[in-house]
Amino acid sequence: QKEVEQNSGPLSVPEGAIASLNCTYSDRGSQSFFWYRQYSGKSPELIMFIYSNGDKEDGRFTAQLNKASQYVSLLIRDSQPSDSATYLCAVNPGFNKFYFGSGTKLNVKP
Amino acid sequence: DADVTQTPRNRITKTGKRIMLECSQTKGHDRMYWYRQDPGLGLRLIYYSFDVKDINKGEISDGYSVSRQAQAKFSLSLESAIPNQTALYFCATSDSQGDRAYGSYNEQFFGPGTRLTVL
Repeated sequence: QKEVEQNSGPLSVPEGAIASLNCTYSDRGSQSFFWYRQYSGKSPELIMFIYSNGDKEDGRFTAQLNKASQYVSLLIRDSQPSDSATYLCAVNPGFNKFYFGSGTKLNVKP
Repeated sequence: DADVTQTPRNRITKTGKRIMLECSQTKGHDRMYWYRQDPGLGLRLIYYSFDVKDINKGEISDGYSVSRQAQAKFSLSLESAIPNQTALYFCATSDSQGDRAYGSYNEQFFGPGTRLTVL
């Protein structure tokens, strides 16, 4: 079992719609969770982090965390073609570990 | 701007050659990491270093070695390159200060990557 699981996609949504990206993790002791965006051939860049159960909003992005279900998601409202990228979920189960999922490719169609 | 830089950005080499990838950072972070990324496999940790005297193997360290020459520099070496080491390599840094403030929060900042091809 992988530490972090993501659907590889591609997830296709029309411009202006809500994109929902999901991630599950295996280590119940995980304390902090991250969403990175990676454009093709570029380095990952952090867009959201969350460490408490519930929702965290930042502009068009909302991260949702449910530790009981070991589930973290990212919602992108009013999706734009420029949001088309691969989204990586990362989990920090402890001070010396950091696991990435394989990423979900998002396509936003104009 | 404080940054993470990697050299070279692209490298083509032949099987059996020794090569070194270099990473430098001006963020003042104490922790540094090397990852490789392959299509469909995401980012996999090769080695990480929490300070100059602390170096640890990641999940795929076989065939690689590292050197932490200073807090700001972390190099990855392939002693005898093989074709299945063809990948995109990323260096990353993080600040242990985040741990003290938030428990285990330690956002990682990535360099631009090195595309390595082993023929």
